[in-house]
Amino acid sequence: DGGITQSPKYLFRKEGQNVTLSCEQNLNHDAMYWYRQDPGQGLRLIYYSQIVNDFQKGDIAEGYSVSREKKESFPLTVTSAQKNPTAFYLCAVSRSPEEKLFFGSGTQLSVL
Amino acid sequence: GQQLNQSPQSMFIQEGEDVSMNCTSSSIFNTWLWYKQDPGEGPVLLIALYKAGELTSNGRLTAQFGITRKDSFLNISASIPSDVGIYFCAGVYNTDKLIFGTGTRLQVFP
Repeated sequence: DGGITQSPKYLFRKEGQNVTLSCEQNLNHDAMYWYRQDPGQGLRLIYYSQIVNDFQKGDIAEGYSVSREKKESFPLTVTSAQKNPTAFYLCAVSRSPEEKLFFGSGTQLSVL
Repeated sequence: GQQLNQSPQSMFIQEGEDVSMNCTSSSIFNTWLWYKQDPGEGPVLLIALYKAGELTSNGRLTAQFGITRKDSFLNISASIPSDVGIYFCAGVYNTDKLIFGTGTRLQVFP
């Protein structure tokens, strides 16, 4: 969706390093989400935020952190505590939690 | 926790054939969503269903919200090569919780 921008498209992490994935939206939607997708797998929820300055853990939050200082932005940090970070990361937004999600184009994170 | 069983896991069909896939659960859902994902891209919403029994079409795609509210079906008619990808169902329960199925990988041969 053109209103959701994820960057970078590809990211490499060295061992022990923290990396931050960017997600920006211009749709003026309140809810934002981060999902992790492993090859051949479905989507698993990492963190979500329903409003600025508030966020909740999803099913696999360990080793990740987020912030929601602005409505348009919901960056995800993959910390060194995440031992298996290689995956495709997807950001999504929705008008409200019960409404349909729209996804960004994803970031592929790999470990060097 | 909640689970969505999506089947089949993969399908290999010839161009022009019709395709059918489904998602089932033991839980009741308020909304069903169907997405398609191309390699290296984010999922794109195809169809959204909001009422039990609802049947909705989007071009060659038709999806139904099961009458029991525990399942949903997606049909693709007269498949073409660009239908290749992974199709995900997603269901909303408890008014604001969303979970995804594990996906159906579709391959279309000319």
